[in-house]
Amino acid sequence: DAKTTQPNSMESNEEEPVHLPCNHSTISGTDYIHWYRQLPSQGPEYVIHGLTSNVNNRMASLAIAEDRKSSTLILHRATLRDAAVYYCTLNFGNEKLTFGTGTRLTIIP
Amino acid sequence: DGGITQSPKYLFRKEGQNVTLSCEQNLNHDAMYWYRQDPGQGLRLIYYSQIVNDFQKGDIAEGYSVSREKKESFPLTVTSAQKNPTAFYLCASSIAAANYEQYFGPGTRLTVT
Repeated sequence: DAKTTQPNSMESNEEEPVHLPCNHSTISGTDYIHWYRQLPSQGPEYVIHGLTSNVNNRMASLAIAEDRKSSTLILHRATLRDAAVYYCTLNFGNEKLTFGTGTRLTIIP
Repeated sequence: DGGITQSPKYLFRKEGQNVTLSCEQNLNHDAMYWYRQDPGQGLRLIYYSQIVNDFQKGDIAEGYSVSREKKESFPLTVTSAQKNPTAFYLCASSIAAANYEQYFGPGTRLTVT
């Protein structure tokens, strides 16, 4: 099974961009890259997903490396409400996601 | 409002008792999932179902059982065979199993003493 590697924690100043990295060197050609985030004692919330091209939505942007072995979630202007654990996951076998321990993002006012 | 409901939010049981966690969705989604989360850890897949009357084991199915008799319901039973049942349990659903975003419920925190 393909795995993802993320830093345990990151800090960012409020109203500045945040770049959250994820390595997935064993990704297969059909794996989609998904990002979710989780606030304390809540269920995760979908953020964005992509296959090869960079993706944008109202919450974030996803930049995928040309070789697909890494990706970066970009929050363009962090707010205090963006403080959460961010999970980078791969959807393999078209059936299930595997969540690692994620990156705990702290926003500094 | 469409969404996923899990009840109760907190559940306490004595060791040796089976307990069933409820998960209901009104999103008309075909696929449903159960995850377990331990403190400071990521989510681990227990069971998932792609369609009514069908389900598959996830990565940690031992000591758990599920049923999918209705599209909107996917209850999880934590049996007495589960050695460490105390955890945060999360239910999710998606339109279909392949490459679609999953919508998560608020979770049930189970404590077994």
